[in-house]
Amino acid sequence: SQELEQSPQSLIVQEGKNLTINCTSSKTLYGLYWYKQKYGEGLIFLMMLQKGGEEKSHEKITAKLDEKKQQSSLHITASQPSHAGIYLCGADPINYGGSQGNLIFGKGTKLSVKP
Amino acid sequence: EPEVTQTPSHQVTQMGQEVILRCVPISNHLYFYWYRQILGQKVEFLVSFYNNEISEKSEIFDDQFSVERPDGSNFTLKIRSTKLEDSAMYFCASSPTGDGGNTEAFFGQGTRLTVV
Repeated sequence: SQELEQSPQSLIVQEGKNLTINCTSSKTLYGLYWYKQKYGEGLIFLMMLQKGGEEKSHEKITAKLDEKKQQSSLHITASQPSHAGIYLCGADPINYGGSQGNLIFGKGTKLSVKP
Repeated sequence: EPEVTQTPSHQVTQMGQEVILRCVPISNHLYFYWYRQILGQKVEFLVSFYNNEISEKSEIFDDQFSVERPDGSNFTLKIRSTKLEDSAMYFCASSPTGDGGNTEAFFGQGTRLTVV
């Protein structure tokens, strides 16, 4: 079965610093999703990557999927306290070519941003 | 902005009791899901629902669990006889039709179920 490993497990950065979170899959990724979760709350969709080498950005967050489609990174530039939370990567183990079905998730990376 | 809403936000129940967790998906979405997250663990898929039937379910989703779309707006998860290990945050999600490409799922805020 497919597994997603995230690193680091937790991260504390000073406000204004850049940071990177990684997600590594044991199998080829057909769709890789990044979500943000605040403690005790729901998951907020950030970005989805499908193609090898794909890169997407939204505000100060950039996500990349490597050419082999087994690793993704999430990079935050000039971090702010509002970036704090748990970042989860998720993958669809079957290439549906349609809506998300059975997503598997990594354990998450807890990000704290010190003002 | 449309959102998935879940009720209640927190439910405490005695072991062996039945619970129903409720969700109102986004109105024009066709795919519905339940996930759970045991404290400190990964978010785990339970079941997906499309066209008034289960389209996929995980090993966790055994005979104690059932889902229903009783009307045009609600989507429920029932646990017939709760166990201590059912204590978790339960998330409902919905997504529109895929139209040939993967699309994002929108998650609700979750219901925290505590079985005592």
